[in-house]
Amino acid sequence: DSGVTQTPKHLITATGQRVTLRCSPRSGDLSVYWYQQSLDQGLQFLIQYYNGEERAKGNILERFSAQQFPDLHSELNLSSLELGDSALYFCASSVVDRRQYYNEQFFGPGTRLTVL
Amino acid sequence: DQQVKQNSPSLSVQEGRISILNCDYTNSMFDYFLWYKKYPAEGPTFLISISSIKDKNEDGRFTVFLNKSAKHLSLHIVPSQPGDSAVYFCAAGGFNSGGGADGLTFGKGTHLIIQP
Repeated sequence: DSGVTQTPKHLITATGQRVTLRCSPRSGDLSVYWYQQSLDQGLQFLIQYYNGEERAKGNILERFSAQQFPDLHSELNLSSLELGDSALYFCASSVVDRRQYYNEQFFGPGTRLTVL
Repeated sequence: DQQVKQNSPSLSVQEGRISILNCDYTNSMFDYFLWYKKYPAEGPTFLISISSIKDKNEDGRFTVFLNKSAKHLSLHIVPSQPGDSAVYFCAAGGFNSGGGADGLTFGKGTHLIIQP
């Protein structure tokens, strides 16, 4: 158990709809990252938040947005859903410690989104 | 353009033998590399890392080698055990000027199958 929780575990919806995925980071972690894993693209970085502020954007579509709340949980909002948005969405958290030479990210179990 | 590539989608190794998983990258600015292990229906779990200034890091049965001139890294598992059967992801990351850490760039994974 990584200590990162994600809800819901599964989500089935229709094209054109909007959904919200939720993530609670490990206790003490200020950074939250969202990733999308689709069959053909592998794990792709979407967006990062640090202590409530957006810090970096990856391959995130304009239809997608995220936020991080004062209690540090984060939500990923996906709107105008298309069939191609069907994927596993992972949240990861970390505490960036520059005394270490790397930044280990701890991943949640993921949310499987199916768009019909 | 894939910055991190794992060219072998799958690898089958006999129990007790050495498993060697390979990864190539194109961006010489990465600060560190990580290997993650993933079981079905779970999030990726951190396995081992290596700094871009090192050429080897060892942790128990797992050793990662980095060849910067060839932009190549490999994960060696010795001896391979049935519980090692999983998908292994190579990932690369970096620290940014703001004191934070970027989202990870992942390869598409290699499915390692350990045969009895």
